Amino acid sequence: AQSVTQLDSQVPVFEEAPVELRCNYSSSVSVYLFWYVQYPNQGLQLLLKYLSGSTLVESINGFEAEFNKSQTSFHLRKPSVHISDTAEYFCAVNNQGGKLIFGQGTELSVKP
Amino acid sequence: DTGVSQDPRHKITKRGQNVTFRCDPISEHNRLYWYRQTLGQGPEFLTYFQNEAQLEKSRLLSDRFSAERPKGSFSTLEIQRTEQGDSAMYLCASSKPRSSYEQYFGPGTRLTVT
Repeated sequence: AQSVTQLDSQVPVFEEAPVELRCNYSSSVSVYLFWYVQYPNQGLQLLLKYLSGSTLVESINGFEAEFNKSQTSFHLRKPSVHISDTAEYFCAVNNQGGKLIFGQGTELSVKP
Repeated sequence: DTGVSQDPRHKITKRGQNVTFRCDPISEHNRLYWYRQTLGQGPEFLTYFQNEAQLEKSRLLSDRFSAERPKGSFSTLEIQRTEQGDSAMYLCASSKPRSSYEQYFGPGTRLTVT
């Protein structure tokens, strides 16, 4: 069975500092990988995705994630965070079928 | 695209009552998904439809839960005889043909059972 583990439940960081949110997955088949962001009292927004090809994927707002097949990881990084990045971040996998399997989430708190 | 919409956004009900939620997917999206999210957890899959056919149901979906998508457009999720443990955010998502892995989420319906 597939599973997703987000290694940090909370990540506090100061504004303009770099951040890494860690995600590991387990699957016996090829998967698609995603990061979603959830702001308070809102639904999930797709931040970025890995489907195939280049293992480094980027979002429009400066986040990037790298697919590492040997380590079964898909960590999310940003070199310099803003207050507005404060949110809950979810890593998810899809086995090229229907449902998404989500991690438990990482709460990113950016402090001034 | 107008996005996935859900109604109501909030619902407070007493234990034992029935509730029904509605989800309107993005037009021309043929797949529709329901997830449940409890406080501090990631969303958990409940069920999904391709057009009007319900293709998969989670073991989380007890016999008190039923979902329909009668015309392959909007969907409803009904919970009968609600329990306090049903309190959660119910999220709906949709995806388009040949891109089923990329799901777009609605704002959710927050259910509180008192």
